[in-house]
Amino acid sequence: DAKTTQPTSMDCAEGRAANLPCNHSTISGNEYVYWYRQIHSQGPQYIIHGLKNNETNEMASLIITEDRKSSTLILPHATLRDTAVYYCIGRRGYQKVTFGIGTKLQVIP
Amino acid sequence: GAGVSQSPSNKVTEKGKDVELRCDPISGHTALYWYRQSLGQGLEFLIYFQGNSAPDKSGLPSDRFSAERTGGSVSTLTIQRTQQEDSAVYLCASSSQTGLENIQYFGAGTRLSVL
Repeated sequence: DAKTTQPTSMDCAEGRAANLPCNHSTISGNEYVYWYRQIHSQGPQYIIHGLKNNETNEMASLIITEDRKSSTLILPHATLRDTAVYYCIGRRGYQKVTFGIGTKLQVIP
Repeated sequence: GAGVSQSPSNKVTEKGKDVELRCDPISGHTALYWYRQSLGQGLEFLIYFQGNSAPDKSGLPSDRFSAERTGGSVSTLTIQRTQQEDSAVYLCASSSQTGLENIQYFGAGTRLSVL
């Protein structure tokens, strides 16, 4: 897996956009960027992934810089249920998932 | 089912007993992974199955741990002679192999407590 760096914690007001950054400067050309989150006492939940282009799905948007050295996960309208630890990982193929510390996002009412 | 199913959701056992944890992957997914997560820690890879290939057992912490996958679907993780340090959440994930893209979908986990 590519080494990733994320802030340890972030706060976001309910209803506002949450922008979670991730640095992955050593990512290789064929490694995808994946985002997962883990709500307390639950299994990790897949959010979104991408290679080069920005991606959007029903949960979030993923913005990847042109040099692929960093990315930002955007939750457009954060709710209290989005409070979780968010993990950014770089991997290819069937490689096992390795989570770092992640970013603990606290959505504030 | 719609997602990865694990059972039981909670298991309490006594030190020295054997336990079996079950994982039902998403239908059609050829790859299956076992991980464990100790309290406040990240994921620790245990074992990986892919189709009919020999499993990657490189993450199993000791010979007390074993896993099998029958018929390319359901998998069972067995821990023999459980120890207190085995207490953790055991997570199963499955994926459909699509080249470099590989989304792993996780189950809710089995919380194992060894007394």
